[in-house]
Amino acid sequence: AQSVTQLGSHVSVSEGALVLLRCNYSSSVPPYLFWYVQYPNQGLQLLLKYTTGATLVKGINGFEAEFKKSETSFHLTKPSAHMSDAAEYFCAVSENTNAGKSTFGDGTTLTVKP
Amino acid sequence: NAGVMQNPRHLVRRRGQEARLRCSPMKGHSHVYWYRQLPEEGLKFMVYLQKENIIDESGMPKERFSAEFPKEGPSILRIQQVVRGDSAAYFCASSSGTGGDTQYFGPGTRLTVL
Repeated sequence: AQSVTQLGSHVSVSEGALVLLRCNYSSSVPPYLFWYVQYPNQGLQLLLKYTTGATLVKGINGFEAEFKKSETSFHLTKPSAHMSDAAEYFCAVSENTNAGKSTFGDGTTLTVKP
Repeated sequence: NAGVMQNPRHLVRRRGQEARLRCSPMKGHSHVYWYRQLPEEGLKFMVYLQKENIIDESGMPKERFSAEFPKEGPSILRIQQVVRGDSAAYFCASSSGTGGDTQYFGPGTRLTVL
């Protein structure tokens, strides 16, 4: 079984400030981990993913995330927030099996203040 | 290279009617996933299909919901005798494989049941 917990349903930062969105997962096998972004009334766009190898993963739009097995975490960060980063962010886990399905967290809404 | 296509984008049905949601995966993708997103919630897995086969339907309600992915044509999510609680955004994703392969999402179909 797999699950995802996103801590904080709403996060607000000032433009230029650090963005930190938290994600903890549980998985009975080595996980594959994903971060997606969703803009209003649109589908999900992949920001980055971790499968194997380097635990620090760089994605699009300046985002990165670090897989920490000991903490079962995959937090998303960006050094400097931009107004265009305001959106909803979803963390997801997929087990390395033939099931293929992903389990999503409930999402974190990021607000960026000018 | 067209992405995942879903139609219609918006669908309005009265209680008791049938809703048919269509999903055309990305070119070359043979794996399709359906997710449902209720207001203010994350995505919940419904069903995973490959061509002509249902691989995992553990997230599908036991009644009124069905899905297919025929050899030719789009994947169809069918909801019979819709109720107000079926109002949600339904997202389709496709991938070329399993596990850590990236799932590419369509724009979603927003179903409103009056």
